[in-house]
Amino acid sequence: GIQVEQSPPDLILQEGANSTLRCNFSDSVNNLQWFHQNPWGQLINLFYIPSGTKQNGRLSATTVATERYSLLYISSSQTTDSGVYFCAVSQFGSNYKLTFGKGTLLTVNP
Amino acid sequence: GAVVSQHPSRVICKSGTSVKIECRSLDFQATTMFWYRQFPKKSLMLMATSNEGSKATYEQGVEKDKFLINHASLTLSTLTVTSAHPEDSSFYICSASRDRGLVGYTFGSGTRLTVV
Repeated sequence: GIQVEQSPPDLILQEGANSTLRCNFSDSVNNLQWFHQNPWGQLINLFYIPSGTKQNGRLSATTVATERYSLLYISSSQTTDSGVYFCAVSQFGSNYKLTFGKGTLLTVNP
Repeated sequence: GAVVSQHPSRVICKSGTSVKIECRSLDFQATTMFWYRQFPKKSLMLMATSNEGSKATYEQGVEKDKFLINHASLTLSTLTVTSAHPEDSSFYICSASRDRGLVGYTFGSGTRLTVV
């Protein structure tokens, strides 16, 4: 099956700092999504981005499908950004089943 | 926006008993629902995919007789953990899609199951 690798596994920031999270995947995909899991376990869909660039407030994401990677940018980080960020993909012919990476644990300190 | 309600949020049960977890799409019809399991500090692992009105498709290594999934309507799917054992303790999360995952998924808030 497809492999999804996220880096870094852990990241500690001071409030106000910017960061870039990376997701590499091993095969062509028809779906790529970024999620934020808060400390209580709730998963929030941040972006549906199989290709191109999107922005939503302080967050933006870029996927370069031909090179099989995606980046999530967080600017002016806040303590509420803390949690685990997951990248998940689905492959053509997989009936849109998502395969998740292992996540990046982000801690934003005040 | 799309909302998925998952209940209970936490449950403690004795070994050998069964536990039912409900996943409801509140404001849309979910053609497909997915059930995941997450161990502490680990990623989500897909357990099964269910389409309304048909039998669930289980991932390799998931015991279909232990983890019973029912998707009887377009707004409700249930996961029943039968004859639970301590190793079944985990965080279970459902997600629902109105378009079989083509555009996006909405996740429930998860259920923390502890088997004692």
